[in-house]
Amino acid sequence: DVKVTQSSRYLVKRTGEKVFLECVQDMDHENMFWYRQDPGLGLRLIYFSYDVKMKEKGDIPEGYSVSREKKERFSLILESASTNQTSMYLCASSPRAGRMNTEAFFGQGTRLTVV
Amino acid sequence: AQKITQTQPGMFVQEKEAVTLDCTYDTSDPSYGLFWYKQPSSGEMIFLIYQGSYDQQNATEGRYSLNFQKARKSANLVISASQLGDSAMYFCAMREVVNTDKLIFGTGTRLQVFP
Repeated sequence: DVKVTQSSRYLVKRTGEKVFLECVQDMDHENMFWYRQDPGLGLRLIYFSYDVKMKEKGDIPEGYSVSREKKERFSLILESASTNQTSMYLCASSPRAGRMNTEAFFGQGTRLTVV
Repeated sequence: AQKITQTQPGMFVQEKEAVTLDCTYDTSDPSYGLFWYKQPSSGEMIFLIYQGSYDQQNATEGRYSLNFQKARKSANLVISASQLGDSAMYFCAMREVVNTDKLIFGTGTRLQVFP
């Protein structure tokens, strides 16, 4: 059974803290994604990675960075958390491009609150 | 820039009736894929159906079908014989060949099924 696991379901952090959101997949997928979900705005792509140590910015990368040192793990980093980063964060993975009908598989989400 | 448009923030349907959820997209790439996902209140993202831009027939998966009108750039999801368990958020998404590793989502439609 395919699985994408996010390290926390709920997180509360203080403004200015450095925050790490971890995501692990066990499907040997090349591609991994981080999305942010807010009411009325849908899922917005923050960053994605198509290989180890490779990354590309999505639509809203400001205030975030990512790390992919191993194929199975993709971390989202908030360098200095701010209240406007309070949101639901979703991690996803998919096989390499070239198979257009390959859907992305999602983790359960991390609800981050910055106070 | 947002390339997926879902104009219906919310929809209501009576149990056992059919419902159509609208999705339009914008791309200049001749090769692309369209996806629909369901997100129940539990938060998990569930893949429902896929349509490729070169597919000759509309995709169907059980009670789900995709009304694909390429010239109008629309990919509406039709749910037949609605069930109470269909109450959820529904997201339309697109993957382009040029940016094949990216999966871009719309803002979603909240469907509520009533008895």
